[in-house]
Amino acid sequence: DAGITQSPRHKVTETGTPVTLRCHQTENHRYMYWYRQDPGHGLRLIHYSYGVKDTDKGEVSDGYSVSRSKTEDFLLTLESATSSQTSVYFCATRTGATYEQYFGPGTRLTVT
Amino acid sequence: DQQVKQNSPSLSVQEGRISILNCDYTNSMFDYFLWYKKYPAEGPTFLISISSIKDKNEDGRFTVFLNKSAKHLSLHIVPSQPGDSAVYFCAARLDSNYQLIWGAGTKLIIKP
Repeated sequence: DAGITQSPRHKVTETGTPVTLRCHQTENHRYMYWYRQDPGHGLRLIHYSYGVKDTDKGEVSDGYSVSRSKTEDFLLTLESATSSQTSVYFCATRTGATYEQYFGPGTRLTVT
Repeated sequence: DQQVKQNSPSLSVQEGRISILNCDYTNSMFDYFLWYKKYPAEGPTFLISISSIKDKNEDGRFTVFLNKSAKHLSLHIVPSQPGDSAVYFCAARLDSNYQLIWGAGTKLIIKP
């Protein structure tokens, strides 16, 4: 498995506060993804990156921004958290050679 | 509009018997399909995949079948073991697209 870590693993924050989640990988994979998982919806793509400084929007990108200044780090920022962003967030990576994505352990975010 | 559907939220199977998990899709442009397994509080892990040019792929106890005319794929687990109890997601890839489209998942429970 790819070495993928996410921090923090759990976070509780208040509505209106900014939040940044970090994904760190040690495998030098080119592609990185941020998903959210909610009951009944499976995994929904928020943003993805296909290289350093190259990012694009996914299916549910409203209210989120991302940055990738280094190959190993992909940051997800909620500029002003809302209760609808309470979810479990997963980071994933992929090499360019295969389609399989490798996932981090997830971050459980609660917005009160 | 869900392009990948897993219509059974849960499935209960006796240990040692066959588990069959189903997935339907609507987009005929999908060219690659993947199955992932997810335990609680962990990220999804890749299980098995199949290209749209094939109709079957086998890996140990796991076999994936693809019926393109019916836009249907299934994952067979034989024999089922207690450690197979998890949520299973199917995902599909669009040609020349970096994204995977995910089903909502099926919770498999293996009874002793």
